[in-house]
Amino acid sequence: ELKVEQNPLFLSMQEGKNYTIYCNYSTTSDRLYWYRQDPGKSLESLFVLLSNGAVKQEGRLMASLDTKARLSTLHITAAVHDLSATYFCAVVLRKLVFGQGTRLTINP
Amino acid sequence: NAGVTQTPKFRILKIGQSMTLQCTQDMNHNYMYWYRQDPGMGLKLIYYSVGAGITDKGEVPNGYNVSRSTTEDFPLRLELAAPSQTSVYFCASKRGDTEAFFGQGTRLTVV
Repeated sequence: ELKVEQNPLFLSMQEGKNYTIYCNYSTTSDRLYWYRQDPGKSLESLFVLLSNGAVKQEGRLMASLDTKARLSTLHITAAVHDLSATYFCAVVLRKLVFGQGTRLTINP
Repeated sequence: NAGVTQTPKFRILKIGQSMTLQCTQDMNHNYMYWYRQDPGMGLKLIYYSVGAGITDKGEVPNGYNVSRSTTEDFPLRLELAAPSQTSVYFCASKRGDTEAFFGQGTRLTVV
């Protein structure tokens, strides 16, 4: 059974700092997605990672995928308040299974 | 493009009542999914479909039913609503390797 685990689940950080969210999954897959969810809103797609070694960057966010380690990372560079949200990774094997989410709070 | 449309946006049900949550997508996506999200929690997969006429259970299917008679529509049926089904329900669709696109959600309260 496919399991997806994120850590940390809660992250409070200061503006300007760097941090990484980790996403581990239990079954071989080379398709991983990152989403953002703001409070009371739906999910918004951030990155689609489709192969081992894939790296995508958008602004202060960068995502990577290591299929051999079954690990994806979402790196935040020089955080700003607007990045405060909950971030989810998801892996697909017919089913699309989500991690528990990482609630990120960025303080001035 | 409308994308993924869910109706209704809000609903209050009494215990034991039934209802259908509607989900329609206009992107010709073959995969469709139903999730529930309890307050402060992640998304749990209820049912999914890989194409018209094909559905399968997710992690938490008990108390729900689905059908997929067309590519566009994937309704979720709640029979005999219970307070434990109070949640926000999201429908999503995707095709191939693309990301899944989500509807705006249905906020359901069972009292």
